[in-house]
Amino acid sequence: SYVLTQPPSVSVAPGQPATLTCEADNIGLESVHWYQRKPGQAPVLLLYDDTARPSGIPERFSGSNSGNTATLTISGVEAGDDADYFCQVWETDSDHPVFGGGTKLTVL
Amino acid sequence: EVKLVESGGGLVKPGGSLRLSCTTSGFTFHNAWMSWVRQAPGRGLEWVGRIKTGTVDYAAPVKGRFSISRDGSENTLYLQINNVKSEDTALYFCATSGLEYFDYWGPGTLVTVAS
Repeated sequence: SYVLTQPPSVSVAPGQPATLTCEADNIGLESVHWYQRKPGQAPVLLLYDDTARPSGIPERFSGSNSGNTATLTISGVEAGDDADYFCQVWETDSDHPVFGGGTKLTVL
Repeated sequence: EVKLVESGGGLVKPGGSLRLSCTTSGFTFHNAWMSWVRQAPGRGLEWVGRIKTGTVDYAAPVKGRFSISRDGSENTLYLQINNVKSEDTALYFCATSGLEYFDYWGPGTLVTVAS
């Protein structure tokens, strides 16, 4: 099955950009979706179809997807962005979703 | 406002059963596509299964032991877990399912399998 690889952790100082990656063979051919989960809270859909933001998601969150890497970029990280971030694609062969292992973003 | 709230988690012995509930509001539930997703301690998210308008499908690790159903009159989604195993220990989330992604999630209910 399709495997999505995310770095376990990323640390960034407040105000700096954060780049979170999601790697898989030819992921650029897939639509990638991103979620944010803070401890004790429900996950939140951050981006869908690589770059689209649901209503209410700040413009600081953006995405790209090409080749073997999809990227979630947070421009100007804030303390409230300290959370786990998961990427996800829909695997066509199985008609099932696949999630990455998640990246813990720590705001220093 | 869309709201999802899971309940029914707790401590269960291996081989036991339990039923999780997901109470919903703020959208038309009776024909909405809904999924269950779980997160084991220290692990990533894992899709469990989905109920569409007339069909249900499951992830391979839970097929035959898990059953998803809904009560449209109560706007509630259910997950029946039978013959629980230690690897079923996880936080279980319900979520609304779009074609390829999950729009709204609940905060989850914790299932712990231990003797």
